[in-house]
Amino acid sequence: DAKTTQPPSMDCAEGRAANLPCNHSTISGNEYVYWYRQIHSQGPQYIIHGLKNNETNEMASLIITEDRKSSTLILPHATLRDTAVYYCIFRKGSNDYKLSFGAGTTVTVRA
Amino acid sequence: ETGVTQTPRHLVMGMTNKKSLKCEQHLGHNAMYWYKQSAKKPLELMFVYSLEERVENNSVPSRFSPECPNSSHLFLHLHTLQPEDSALYLCASSQDRRGGNYEQYFGPGTRLTVT
Repeated sequence: DAKTTQPPSMDCAEGRAANLPCNHSTISGNEYVYWYRQIHSQGPQYIIHGLKNNETNEMASLIITEDRKSSTLILPHATLRDTAVYYCIFRKGSNDYKLSFGAGTTVTVRA
Repeated sequence: ETGVTQTPRHLVMGMTNKKSLKCEQHLGHNAMYWYKQSAKKPLELMFVYSLEERVENNSVPSRFSPECPNSSHLFLHLHTLQPEDSALYLCASSQDRRGGNYEQYFGPGTRLTVT
């Protein structure tokens, strides 16, 4: 599995955009970038995923660099409820059931 | 709001007890998963069922026994557990599209303590 590198922690002001980086220089062509988050003592929550193009949904935007070696998850208007551990992971397109979570980034949104 | 429910949310059991964890998904998915999350460790995949057939078993000890009676329900039967089995047990579901990509939706987990 490709390895990801994320900062261990970051703070964000409530109401501002939170930009979460992820480096994945060894990603292969058929691996998708997925983002999940886990709020304390709850199950992980799917946020967004992409392959090459930038993606946006009601929760966040995903910006993937052209060489696919890094990506950024953007929470456009962070709220206190966005405080969580955010995981950037990779998965192949087919028959790949396993989600290999690393340490993630602990994001703390402050009022 | 998650469409995956798990019961019980908390369980304390002795090493000689037998108990079962239950998971139910209301999303119309056809694949279900059990994960284990221990303190300070990454998520570990335990079992995968797709179309009610077990497709993955990641070297899990036999004291954990999964059961998938239909595509909406998944059980994890526990017997003679060890204290190191204390963890958060998470159930997830997804749509299994062969050759396609899919996201997994998780339940809230069962916090298990083995005494």
